Amino acid sequence: LAKTTQPISMDSYEGQEVNITCSHNNIATNDYITWYQQFPSQGPRFIIQGYKTKVTNEVASLFIPADRKSSTLSLPRVSLSDTAVYYCLVGGSNFGNEKLTFGTGTRLTIIP
Amino acid sequence: KAGVTQTPRYLIKTRGQQVTLSCSPISGHRSVSWYQQTPGQGLQFLFEYFSETQRNKGNFPGRFSGRQFSNSRSEMNVSTLELGDSALYLCASSLEGARGYTFGSGTRLTVV
Repeated sequence: LAKTTQPISMDSYEGQEVNITCSHNNIATNDYITWYQQFPSQGPRFIIQGYKTKVTNEVASLFIPADRKSSTLSLPRVSLSDTAVYYCLVGGSNFGNEKLTFGTGTRLTIIP
Repeated sequence: KAGVTQTPRYLIKTRGQQVTLSCSPISGHRSVSWYQQTPGQGLQFLFEYFSETQRNKGNFPGRFSGRQFSNSRSEMNVSTLELGDSALYLCASSLEGARGYTFGSGTRLTVV
């Protein structure tokens, strides 16, 4: 699986837009990019997934450039409840038959 | 629909003992994966089962084992517990052909 690199931590104020970038230089042709959110003592929660260009759902947007070597998770108008660790994963080309490799994740802290 | 259910939620064991953790996947999900999460090592893949067969295995000693039943429920067992086995153990299930995983809330194991 492609290795990912994310910032260790980020701080932001409530109401602002937060962008977390993930680098994945060795992404394979069939790999997807998936972001998970994790709160303390809970399992990671699926946020968004994409293959190329832009994907948007009710909680976030995912921007993927044409070369797919990086991706950016965008959280609009964050609130205190968005304080969590965010993981970027690359894979999924083997349809469940693989071992997900989590990086260190990005610890996002929202400041009131 | 019901999510991934892990039992027990918390567990305290003594060094040298063994422990069995249980995971019930989302109905219809036949792939079940297990992860260990510690502050020092982050999220690490243990193993993945599909249709009662182990398809993938992480780099853990043989003291860590698992199995999957015909109803897709899975158990993992850790024998001869060590202090370093204290961790949050997470189970995730997936539909074959899907690229997303749903995680349970985990079992917090403390070895004393």
